[in-house]
Amino acid sequence: GENVEQHPSTLSVQEGDSAVIKCTYSDSASNYFPWYKQELGKGPQLIIDIRSNVGEKKDQRIAVTLNKTAKHFSLHITETQPEDSAVYFCAASRLSGAGSYQLTFGKGTKLSVIP
Amino acid sequence: EPEVTQTPSHQVTQMGQEVILRCVPISNHLYFYWYRQILGQKVEFLVSFYNNEISEKSEIFDDQFSVERPDGSNFTLKIRSTKLEDSAMYFCASAFGSYNSPLHFGNGTRLTVT
Repeated sequence: GENVEQHPSTLSVQEGDSAVIKCTYSDSASNYFPWYKQELGKGPQLIIDIRSNVGEKKDQRIAVTLNKTAKHFSLHITETQPEDSAVYFCAASRLSGAGSYQLTFGKGTKLSVIP
Repeated sequence: EPEVTQTPSHQVTQMGQEVILRCVPISNHLYFYWYRQILGQKVEFLVSFYNNEISEKSEIFDDQFSVERPDGSNFTLKIRSTKLEDSAMYFCASAFGSYNSPLHFGNGTRLTVT
């Protein structure tokens, strides 16, 4: 089955700096890679996703890159703000015969943005 | 913005007891899921549900687990005889469609088995 590794497990940055979180996956058939942000006491919230036919996607201060050959993808947050502090999860999935998401998650990165 | 809602937020039960975790998916969504997260570990897929039947399930989802959509709005996860190792955060999620629709998660139910 799929295995997703995520690094680092914790990350502290100064407000205004950039943060980068990296993930690798094992199943070359995976073709959907979402990123979730989880704040304390809440469920994971989708912040950005990328599909395997795209190498990069950007949404304001957030960008995701995908290298299919190397089987890794990364989340980039620029101009970090204190409200970006949360746990971030990467995930990978492939289309199943039943048409459902069987997301495999990484272990998460706790991002702290220091004012 | 529509949300997936889960109740209760925290459930404490004794080993061997049955529990039912409840979820109200987003109203026009058609695909429903349960995931769980044991403290300090990864979020893990349990089961997906579409068209009133299970479409996929993981190895974790054994005979002790069942899901049901008893009416047009609720989606439940039942654990028949809880074990200590069932203690985890259980997340319900829903999606409008299949592969091309993003997954929306609820805030979870923390299940503590004593």
